[in-house]
Amino acid sequence: NAGVTQTPKFRVLKTGQSMTLLCAQDMNHEYMYWYRQDPGMGLRLIHYSVGEGTTAKGEVPDGYNVSRLKKQNFLLGLESAAPSQTSVYFCASRPQRGGYTFGSGTRLTVV
Amino acid sequence: SQQGEEDPQALSIQEGENATMNCSYKTSINNLQWYRQNSGRGLVHLILIRSNEREKHSGRLRVTLDTSKKSSSLLITASRAADTASYFCATDGGSSNTGKLIFGQGTTLQVKP
Repeated sequence: NAGVTQTPKFRVLKTGQSMTLLCAQDMNHEYMYWYRQDPGMGLRLIHYSVGEGTTAKGEVPDGYNVSRLKKQNFLLGLESAAPSQTSVYFCASRPQRGGYTFGSGTRLTVV
Repeated sequence: SQQGEEDPQALSIQEGENATMNCSYKTSINNLQWYRQNSGRGLVHLILIRSNEREKHSGRLRVTLDTSKKSSSLLITASRAADTASYFCATDGGSSNTGKLIFGQGTTLQVKP
C-alpha cells in the first residue's frame, strides 16, 4: 500500500543510548517532516526537509539529527537519548500542493 | 509555540447530533487544514481551506474560515460512533516554501452510540 512507513513502531532505550528512526514514503513527495507528540502539547516539529539532500530545523530540534540522502527516506537520529525524549514520533510527507500523509508513529520510551 | 488553538478541548455528543469544533490562530496563513487522529494512530488529512475561501464541504464535513477573526470551525453533521477521535487544526503560518504546519493541541470528540 502506498503511504508513509515508520520503523520501528516501538522502542525502549536506556538513557545515553543512540538510535535511528526510519521514515520511508513511496509517493514521490518532495517534503518530509518529523514531529513529536506529547500529551497536552500537540504535535511539535523537530526537523523537516524540502527535498533530497536538504534538511532544516523545526521548533524543537535539540538532541536530534536528520538526514535525507534519498528522496524517499528521512531518518531521525537520537545521539544520546534522554528521558525528555520519551514521546510518540510521527513522520509525514506531502506533495507540492495538498495535505500531509502521516505514518503510524513510533512510540519511544527512554528509561 | 502553538499556532492553532482548538476549542473545546473535549466534546461528548450522542450519535446523530452535530459536532462543532473551533480553531483560532495567530499569524497570517496561506491555508488551514484539519486532521483526525484515532487513538494510537497517525493523523489523517480531512480537508484544506485556502485563505481566500470562506467555506468548504467534504461529505459530512463543513469547514469555515474567517481570516479577519483568525478563526476556523469544523462541523461534523449526523455524527457516528466511528467519528470518535481527536481533531486538529493546522496552519502554515504564512510560509509557502517549506510546507511546514503548526498544529493546535486538538479537540477530543466522543460520539456515544
